[in-house]
Amino acid sequence: NAGVTQTPKFRVLKTGQSMTLLCAQDMNHEYMYWYRQDPGMGLRLIHYSVGEGTTAKGEVPDGYNVSRLKKQNFLLGLESAAPSQTSVYFCASSYQRGGEADTQYFGPGTRLTVL
Amino acid sequence: DAKTTQPPSMDCAEGRAANLPCNHSTISGNEYVYWYRQIHSQGPQYIIHGLKNNETNEMASLIITEDRKSSTLILPHATLRDTAVYYCIVRVAWDFGNEKLTFGTGTRLTIIP
Repeated sequence: NAGVTQTPKFRVLKTGQSMTLLCAQDMNHEYMYWYRQDPGMGLRLIHYSVGEGTTAKGEVPDGYNVSRLKKQNFLLGLESAAPSQTSVYFCASSYQRGGEADTQYFGPGTRLTVL
Repeated sequence: DAKTTQPPSMDCAEGRAANLPCNHSTISGNEYVYWYRQIHSQGPQYIIHGLKNNETNEMASLIITEDRKSSTLILPHATLRDTAVYYCIVRVAWDFGNEKLTFGTGTRLTIIP
């Protein structure tokens, strides 16, 4: 049981380039999330998904797109990277269980630098 | 989500119990107390959560006061690998439309050899 995995671990892009970050979970979780964390700051939610085929905007969605074609995968895309998108990106997932608490399980992160 | 207050930093000797306090005086009846930690450069790690009763798992114990206005996370035998920033979060379960976890400044716990 690998939990939540992210690829790649590190990436350097030039301004204007595009890339896709992949998040995979093997816990059969319904909910998946993408956060970014900038130095000295807390996590900010970019987009999230409440199930296969669904996506929704978080608090900082501009410049990003997402897709959830399979339940276990959640992709984050940058169509035209900007230096302001230099950050550490974390994926998380959680299992919807009615009234039970919604614990989120995080991946190891992807460090992205945009030059 | 209810506001939480944690000390900015704490030290604990290796092998001793680390007791991390959290105040959440405005907590509502349907809000859970969650604890996460973030070891340097890694993704946040879930530790434990509770509603009213004390909870224990393989990582830690959570003690919630009877009035629920404060709680304490206990790491029973701290090791150097427990050095991290610990976050106390209070939120309702399945707060649709407010799915994000709000990590405050947390407590930076340093385990001393």
